[in-house]
Parts: sequence; structure tokens; C-alpha cells
Amino acid sequence: KQEVTQIPAALSVPEGENLVLNCSFTDSAIYNLQWFRQDPGKGLTSLLLIQSSQREQTSGRLNASLDKSSGRSTLYIAASQPGDSATYLCAVPSGGYQKVTFGTGTKLQVIP
Amino acid sequence: GAVVSQHPSRVICKSGTSVKIECRSLDFQATTMFWYRQFPKQSLMLMATSNEGSKATYEQGVEKDKFLINHASLTLSTLTVTSAHPEDSSFYICSASWQFTDTQYFGPGTRLTVL
Repeated sequence: KQEVTQIPAALSVPEGENLVLNCSFTDSAIYNLQWFRQDPGKGLTSLLLIQSSQREQTSGRLNASLDKSSGRSTLYIAASQPGDSATYLCAVPSGGYQKVTFGTGTKLQVIP
Repeated sequence: GAVVSQHPSRVICKSGTSVKIECRSLDFQATTMFWYRQFPKQSLMLMATSNEGSKATYEQGVEKDKFLINHASLTLSTLTVTSAHPEDSSFYICSASWQFTDTQYFGPGTRLTVL
């Protein structure tokens, strides 16, 4: 059974700081990994999707890396802004076609 | 593109009543829809997977007679919480995808409060 853990569970940083969120998974036989953002009381917004053949993906100030062999992914946020405050979730395929398991989430607060 | 809507966004009901939540794919045909539940300060937990025209597949521990899922068309799936109890209060999120794609597109969620 795939288990996905995110560290830290919560993070508070001053505006402008660069930061790294971590995601680890137990079953490395994955074909992709996704990072999502969830604002309080809202649904999910897809941020980045990394295929297993890729090492990283970039979108604006976000960069996600994937190391399948070690069961790890990181989400790097450059020059953080208060608008980045949200919960960040990673998700990996597990247990069947198109099914995913979500991580425990990291709640980020960027202080102005 | 790939927009998924949910209705209602928020519902409050009395214990013992049934509540229906709709999930629609607005600009694509969703061969598969997923229903998740999220309790406060917890991550999303998959409840069931539904394929258009077929019976839903429920995850272990999810009561199929309590959480009725219908996926009658390629753009609509419904989740009915029957005889709701306060412990069913949660955030319910659906997602949709189409065949041969890796990506799920998520709805905005429905906040259910059972009094």
C-alpha cells in the first residue's frame, strides 16, 4: 500500500524567502507525481505534474523535482509571497488505473 | 479547459436526511470520476471510483449503501449521502479524468454539515 508523507506539516516564513517542501512515498513504482495547492475551504489547484521519466518541472517560481529511486520529491518555491500561503499536497498513483494517494500536506504561511 | 464544477458548494442538513452532491465536467467527457472526503486538518481520502455506465468501486471501509454514487453520463456524477449523521460532516471533493490520461481535474468541493 502506497504511503505518502510530507514534511514539514506546517511552515511559516517571511516574505521573499526561498523554501522547500518535501514529499516521500513508499512505493517507487510510480509513473508520475503531482503537486497541488489547496486554499482554506477550497478545492485543489494542480501546480505541477512530473512524469517518471523527468527529473524536474518548472512553472514560474515553482520547481518540482522527482527522485523515484529514493522515493522523494521536492517543491521549491522561490521568492515567496503572501499569496503563496496555502496547503500544498503531493499525490502519487497507487492501487489502480488513475487512482492516486495524497500526502499529508504542508500548510505554508508567508508573512508579509 | 478541463473544468469541473460541484453543486452545492455548501450544505447544512438535519440528521437523518439525505443529501445529493453533483459533480460535472464542463468542457470534457469524463470517463472516470473520483469522490474524496477530507476531514479537518487531514488529507484527501478516496471514497470511490466511478466509471460512466458502471457501478462505482468503493474503497475499503466506505459504506456503499450509505454513499450512493451514480455516473449516468460522461459529464455528471452524483454522490448521495443517505441518512446523514453528524460524523458525515466533511468536505467532499470530486475529480474527473478521461481515458488514457494521467491527470485528474478537481472540483471546488462541497462542505457538508449535518446537525
